[in-house]
Amino acid sequence: GDKVKQSPSALSLQEGTNSALRCNFSIAATTVQWFLQNPRGSLMNLFYLVPGTKENGRLKSAFDSKESYSTLHIRDAQLEDSGTYFCAAEAGGMGYKLTFGTGTSLLVDP
Amino acid sequence: DAGVTQTPRHEVAEKGQTIILKCEPVSGHNDLFWYRQTKIQGLELLSYFRSKSLMEDGGAFKDRFKAEMLNSSFSTLKIQPTEPKDSAVYLCASSPNTGQLYFGEGSKLTVL
Repeated sequence: GDKVKQSPSALSLQEGTNSALRCNFSIAATTVQWFLQNPRGSLMNLFYLVPGTKENGRLKSAFDSKESYSTLHIRDAQLEDSGTYFCAAEAGGMGYKLTFGTGTSLLVDP
Repeated sequence: DAGVTQTPRHEVAEKGQTIILKCEPVSGHNDLFWYRQTKIQGLELLSYFRSKSLMEDGGAFKDRFKAEMLNSSFSTLKIQPTEPKDSAVYLCASSPNTGQLYFGEGSKLTVL
């Protein structure tokens, strides 16, 4: 089965609303990264997490290694937040071996 | 600061041709990665270099795929010979040893 399961697979939001994306891991994740892939195809790194939380503007992410999940909260969604969000987990101390989720496609409507 | 630069952005090849994709990592980053992205398989690791040394050669991709890093600021991915199933977006990423990845905009390959 999927080692990194992302949910939901697709999401539509009204501008100004809040939402949360989630990744569940069936591997022993030690670090997590979140990326946003824009319509041009570029993957932008949003967060690099060890267990704990980080916040950057309207985005907040948490990683719980014991419960094997990570979340990405989007507050006051804007049109430019549209794109595909990927989480990726590193496991087993092999820093380069990231396992990617299948992505959440987010569309923010005016 | 310049991010990861990939060229060409788009490539169309006939089956059997040789294509070379290029990547310039962020200056000072020691780790460089090549990934392939398709709708069905998602993101798959092709190659990984640390300080120009090949650490991971992608297992199933060894056959027709060859990544090289001749200096710390330039890497190539050669696909020879190309097959239609190689049609995908090829992404290069670099990392400053922290593990945090910075991706380029990708090279979209279409093999006819």
